Amino acid sequence: NAGVTQTPKFRILKIGQSMTLQCTQDMNHNYMYWYRQDPGMGLKLIYYSVGAGITDKGEVPNGYNVSRSTTEDFPLRLELAAPSQTSVYFCASSYSPATSYEQYFGPGTRLTVT
Amino acid sequence: GNSVTQMEGPVTLSEEAFLTINCTYTATGYPSLFWYVQYPGEGLQLLLKATKADDKGSNKGFEATYRKETTSFHLEKGSVQVSDSAVYFCALSEINQAGTALIFGKGTTLSVSS
Repeated sequence: NAGVTQTPKFRILKIGQSMTLQCTQDMNHNYMYWYRQDPGMGLKLIYYSVGAGITDKGEVPNGYNVSRSTTEDFPLRLELAAPSQTSVYFCASSYSPATSYEQYFGPGTRLTVT
Repeated sequence: GNSVTQMEGPVTLSEEAFLTINCTYTATGYPSLFWYVQYPGEGLQLLLKATKADDKGSNKGFEATYRKETTSFHLEKGSVQVSDSAVYFCALSEINQAGTALIFGKGTTLSVSS
């Protein structure tokens, strides 16, 4: 049981390039999330999904896109990278939307845009 | 909107010292409250949680009590170890239109020396 896995671990992009951050979970969780973590700040929600085929915007969605074709996978797409997207990105999943259920986090992807 | 405020770090302690990390929240309704810990180079993992007023969450020697009257959820440990060095995040859960989101504080870095 690997939990939540993310690839790549590190990436450097030039301004205007595109990339996809991969996220996979093997816990059969319906709920999945993407967060970004900026230095000295808490995590901000980018997008979330309540099940395959259903996604919605979080607090900071601009410049990102997501898809959810399967229960396991929830990739995050950056179309035109900007320096403001330099951050650490975390994917998470949860069994239930109930407020008492914890979210399980992946190890993160550190992205630098120059 | 809902928010979480936690004490600024870094917090530097000697081994076996007493730890308190303050956390207060603003929320409508009755959220669940969490402490997550992030060890260097890793993703966040749940440390403890409390789902209603006066609940005490505990794990690995850490404790926090859900205080509705003071809107607080302070993290405490009686005797810290070097292995406790990490970033600690206080969070609350809120229900949004399609599920549950976690609202995080900015994190407090704890450094314990032997």
